Amino acid sequence: NAGVTQTPKFQVLKTGQSMTLQCAQDMNHNSMYWYRQDPGMGLRLIYYSASEGTTDKGEVPNGYNVSRLNKREFSLRLESAAPSQTSVYFCASWELISGNTIYFGEGSWLTVV
Amino acid sequence: GEDVEQSLFLSVREGDSSVINCTYTDSSSTYLYWYKQEPGAGLQLLTYIFSNMDMKQDQRLTVLLNKKDKHLSLRIADTQTGDSAIYFCAESMNTGFQKLVFGTGTRLLVSP
Repeated sequence: NAGVTQTPKFQVLKTGQSMTLQCAQDMNHNSMYWYRQDPGMGLRLIYYSASEGTTDKGEVPNGYNVSRLNKREFSLRLESAAPSQTSVYFCASWELISGNTIYFGEGSWLTVV
Repeated sequence: GEDVEQSLFLSVREGDSSVINCTYTDSSSTYLYWYKQEPGAGLQLLTYIFSNMDMKQDQRLTVLLNKKDKHLSLRIADTQTGDSAIYFCAESMNTGFQKLVFGTGTRLLVSP
């Protein structure tokens, strides 16, 4: 019953450090997403991958890169972390045959100091 | 463009009904959703409504959609302390690919 799994759950970075958030889904979904959640702003889409081999920018892509490694995995990379990237990050996945449910991971809490 | 707005906070007493409101701007939205987020957890889909419907009921939850005013509401009957959470509405245009635009979230606090 894994669904969408994100790692790490918590991370503290220094400004300028790099890191990669990992996401994997075991539901054979084509579409995967990365959102960030900030207080009073809801969830904003960073990048998405409609299918394996494609990635596209969302609403707030600056400072991030993504890789759709295979159908299961979609990683989010911060090349040079900034305090403005302190946030909670959610990975999600969806497939047409799963109906209208987008499945979310449990979140990754990232603090940049 | 897409924009979804919600009030930030709602406080009710246990046993009362809660009504959480949402307005959206994109009239081409095909689906509208309500998600629940408990502290420290991810988002859990509560219910959704297709844009050609005006009401959907699911146990204690009632969703009302006023497409003319672009207004969506979630009513929780007999609200319990376990309903305390942040509730997000979201809109989507399903063009073969789902992309959700979320509201800011409404924090519901249920007091005994």
